Amino acid sequence: QVTLRESGPALVKPTQTLTLTCTFSGFSLSTSGMCVSWIRQPPGKALEWLALIDWDDDKYYSTSLKTRLTISKDTSKNQVVLTMTNMDPVDTATYYCARSQKTGATDAFDIWGQGTMVTVSS
Amino acid sequence: EIVLTQSPATLSLSPGERATLSCRASQSVSSYLAWYQQKPGQAPRLLIYDASNRATGIPARFSGSGSGTDFTLTISSLEPEDFAVYYCQQRSNWLFTFGPGTKVDIK
Repeated sequence: QVTLRESGPALVKPTQTLTLTCTFSGFSLSTSGMCVSWIRQPPGKALEWLALIDWDDDKYYSTSLKTRLTISKDTSKNQVVLTMTNMDPVDTATYYCARSQKTGATDAFDIWGQGTMVTVSS
Repeated sequence: EIVLTQSPATLSLSPGERATLSCRASQSVSSYLAWYQQKPGQAPRLLIYDASNRATGIPARFSGSGSGTDFTLTISSLEPEDFAVYYCQQRSNWLFTFGPGTKVDIK
């Protein structure tokens, strides 16, 4: 059974750096084709893709946020870490990690974590 | 960046009725489109990938169609558990975008 679980602070202050960890089981990020993404959703709003890391350690970022994001993986721990710098109240959202597989097509997100709510406030 | 628009924003229907949701891309995405269902307080669930393929465990009442810029998600006969928000998503050049969502609520 494939599962993903997000962890990190529930509250961060403006200008601080957010660090989120996705811990997963049931698959390996060293398996060809496997990918993990971070996706967020502000309260009452739509989903926004942030970043993806693949089995070959290739990394892709949202165009609008790439200067603030860093994604990395620890294959031995089955973890993917996202850091987002210079947090602002508009970054308040539920942050999800999700798995996908590189097929050369949609590469849809087939398994999601339950999400972690992050509030940015002083 | 490819922008997805979804219509209508809200669809009010009764159980047993047919639901037709639309997703339009600002430029062609070939068949690289997926649909997700999200219920309050839950993570999204993958329904359809590559425009028309049902994900594992998804009931046959859900179907997807389209290619290029125009896509449709059809729910043939709404069950009580189908009232939710539906998002489309595309991939292009390793950038992913989601549509704004369509809420299907009970009439």
